[in-house]
Amino acid sequence: DTGVSQDPRHKITKRGQNVTFRCDPISEHNRLYWYRQTLGQGPEFLTYFQNEAQLEKSRLLSDRFSAERPKGSFSTLEIQRTEQGDSAMYLCASSPDTVYNEQFFGPGTRLTVL
Amino acid sequence: AQTVTQSQPEMSVQEAETVTLSCTYDTSESNYYLFWYKQPPSRQMILVIRQEAYKQQNATENRFSVNFQKAAKSFSLKISDSQLGDTAMYFCAFRTSYDKVIFGPGTSLSVIP
Repeated sequence: DTGVSQDPRHKITKRGQNVTFRCDPISEHNRLYWYRQTLGQGPEFLTYFQNEAQLEKSRLLSDRFSAERPKGSFSTLEIQRTEQGDSAMYLCASSPDTVYNEQFFGPGTRLTVL
Repeated sequence: AQTVTQSQPEMSVQEAETVTLSCTYDTSESNYYLFWYKQPPSRQMILVIRQEAYKQQNATENRFSVNFQKAAKSFSLKISDSQLGDTAMYFCAFRTSYDKVIFGPGTSLSVIP
């Protein structure tokens, strides 16, 4: 296992379109996180899963955003009716169930909404 | 509200010199975990060093060490013998017992040859 992977790495879409991103965590990690990062800022927490259960959602996650982790393995993040303000890097991270809960990050998906 | 502040948006250091990046945080919890992450240009974020709040001894990882002052809620990162590969954004972060990790805004560090 080479780490957390995300697909696609880049996505350009027109305003109003729907987009879906995929994250494959490190295989033995049961926790998975989604963050949004805008230029020059730190990652902002969006949501996280323990196995297939979505345990917390940020208020940044409007009703246009939905995330799933159907079998406790990979996860998808969908944005409906994209807006220009959704343009950002979307980061996925996973962590094992240890005391530190150290998070391992993927390379991110850069979304540009035109 | 739980927050992380990094008061130095940009810093630079000469190669082989030492630099310290500042971080302060605010939380009402008594036990938590602190991290410094590094994000090189166009590359993914990696963990540099971590510290558990109830451990008084400061963490050290090779050239990286922290100065953890729990009462002051301060968690600075010292990089010794700076190398060109240390050029990156550095993010201070903490995790509470509720698993959410909160990141600071970052410090852009440039190592000058």
